[in-house]
Amino acid sequence: DADVTQTPRNRITKTGKRIMLECSQTKGHDRMYWYRQDPGLGLRLIYYSFDVKDINKGEISDGYSVSRQAQAKFSLSLESAIPNQTALYFCATSDTSGSRETQYFGPGTRLLVL
Amino acid sequence: EDKVVQSPLSLVVHEGDTVTLNCSYEVTNFRSLLWYKQEKKAPTFLFMLTSSGIEKKSGRLSSILDKKELFSILNITATQTGDSAVYLCAVGPMKTSYDKVIFGPGTSLSVIP
Repeated sequence: DADVTQTPRNRITKTGKRIMLECSQTKGHDRMYWYRQDPGLGLRLIYYSFDVKDINKGEISDGYSVSRQAQAKFSLSLESAIPNQTALYFCATSDTSGSRETQYFGPGTRLLVL
Repeated sequence: EDKVVQSPLSLVVHEGDTVTLNCSYEVTNFRSLLWYKQEKKAPTFLFMLTSSGIEKKSGRLSSILDKKELFSILNITATQTGDSAVYLCAVGPMKTSYDKVIFGPGTSLSVIP
């Protein structure tokens, strides 16, 4: 079983629509992250959460919001999707014991905004 | 501004060749450097480097860090078509509550038979 899961895996939506991407983990990690990946730009951090009550903006948080419903769940929302939010989105987790910089990634959600 | 630079951005080699991928960084209070392999799915962890001059090896892959010159290399010997992927370098800047990891743009490696 996958330790970090994302749903949906693929999504096509229209400009202006609100959508939610969900991430669940069974690793028991405190920290969860949302990244987007665009060709030539690598991975960019959108939001991160150190625990259920701690949420922080990353490098490119405009146009996004998040919710940490439980330790195991971290959702990313696009309130009003726009075409330049077309990207591959990754959720990741890391623990707080030892190698915090080692992150574990979900399979990704491919989003197309028309 | 913290940044991670990788070179080359893309590379095509023949099976059996040896390749060297480069990663240089400028970050405040460096903590660790990580290498990931990304095929048509999520990145998978390869190495974490924290000390200069100590080579890490895993099969045909090896990596070393130079903290004085602020770079790392990832070597792949006797390449196989299964090595075709994007290789990401990432740096963790600070051991504080701000646990951000900065990724480079990646090197796209294609290994042809």
